[in-house]
This record gives sequence, C-alpha cells and structure tokens, in this order.
Amino acid sequence: DIVLTQSPGTLSLSPGERATLSCRASQSVNSNYLTWYQQKPGQAPRLLIYGASIRATGIPDRFSGSGSGTDFSLTISRLEPEDSAMYYCQQYGSSLWTFGQGTKVEIK
Amino acid sequence: EVQLVESGGGLVKPGGSLRLSCAASGFAFGSYTMNWVRQGPGKGLEWVSSVTSSGSDIYYADSVKGRFTISRDNAKNSLYLRMSSLRAEDTAVYYCAREGRGRIYGGDYWGQGALVTVSS
Repeated sequence: DIVLTQSPGTLSLSPGERATLSCRASQSVNSNYLTWYQQKPGQAPRLLIYGASIRATGIPDRFSGSGSGTDFSLTISRLEPEDSAMYYCQQYGSSLWTFGQGTKVEIK
Repeated sequence: EVQLVESGGGLVKPGGSLRLSCAASGFAFGSYTMNWVRQGPGKGLEWVSSVTSSGSDIYYADSVKGRFTISRDNAKNSLYLRMSSLRAEDTAVYYCAREGRGRIYGGDYWGQGALVTVSS
C-alpha cells in the first residue's frame, strides 16, 4: 500500500508570506490521482486541488499544486488569516483513498 | 445545491452496533460513487469504505473489513454504514463524501459528519 508522508507537521508563518507544504509518496503516484484538502476546526474537509495541480471550483488562485511521481507540493503564495487550517493530501489507488497525516498551517 | 447530511451517530458500548445514514440532495445521487471517511479525535482522515454508483462494487479499509457494511438506496438518495463489533478505536467523526467524476479522484462534497463514540 502507498503511504503518504506530509511535511512539515506544522508551519507557522505571517500573513503575506509563502507556504510550501510537501506530500511524499512511498511509491510513484499517478498525478491524476493526487488531491489536496483544507480542513478547519469543526468543519468537514474542503476540496482544494485535484489532479495534483487543478484548483477546484471557487478556490483562490493563491493556492497551487505541483509535483509528480513521489513528490508533490501545495503552495499558498500569499497567506491570508483565513488560510489557518489543516491540509491533507490524498491519493486514489485500487479503488480506495489514502491520506497523508496532514500539515497544520498557523498564521502568526 | 449539493448537500450531504449524516445522521445516526451516538454513544455505543464496545461490541455494539450502530447504523449511520447519509441523505443526499441536489445532485443525481445514483450516478456517483460514495465514500465514508472517519476522523478520530485529534487525528487525521482515514478512508473507511466506498460503494460504486449502482452498488455493484464495494470496498473496505482493512481496519473495518468484516465488521462494517456499506450500502446505498438510490431510490431514497441515501447512503448507509452499518457498524458492528464496535471498538474504542472506532470512535470518530464519520463523514460521507461524494467521489468526484471526470478528473476528480477524491471527495468533492462532504457532509458535516456524525460523531460515533464507543465507550462503556
């Protein structure tokens, strides 16, 4: 089974700064099958990025995804206070979903 | 507007059973694969089970195989999760999630979640 490892565990940055979140897979992942979510406390996950780099409907363009093979990343170009949340990567394989353990983004 | 509303959560003793429901509206429910995903207290997301649009194909995480049963009723626009032989480690918020179509291989819409607590 593919294991997704996200780093760092926590990212603490100021508004306007750039955040780069990493998602590393234990074996190669089809880029089409790599998805990113945002989850705020007490809320359900929200789809951010699918196909590794395609923003979901209504997602601001400060969010971008990239990567291939075993290394993927989510970048928030200019942090806003409302971006404070947990971020999860997820891959689809053999009809099941696997999630990374998440990265917490804190806004100073 | 797409809506997914879970119900049926609650407190249950170890070894007990519970059935969760997810009522869907605002889209052609019978055309989508549906999933259950759970999140233990203070923990990350864990995929639990999925069922294809017609119900013909069903998949489970190893952690729940043999204890949980997913089903759907397309006439009622509803998804279910029957949980039995519950353990303390099954305590979690359970989300139903619609699997996207086209290039979306993940959950494009999620319910608000139902809390299941397994404790004596």
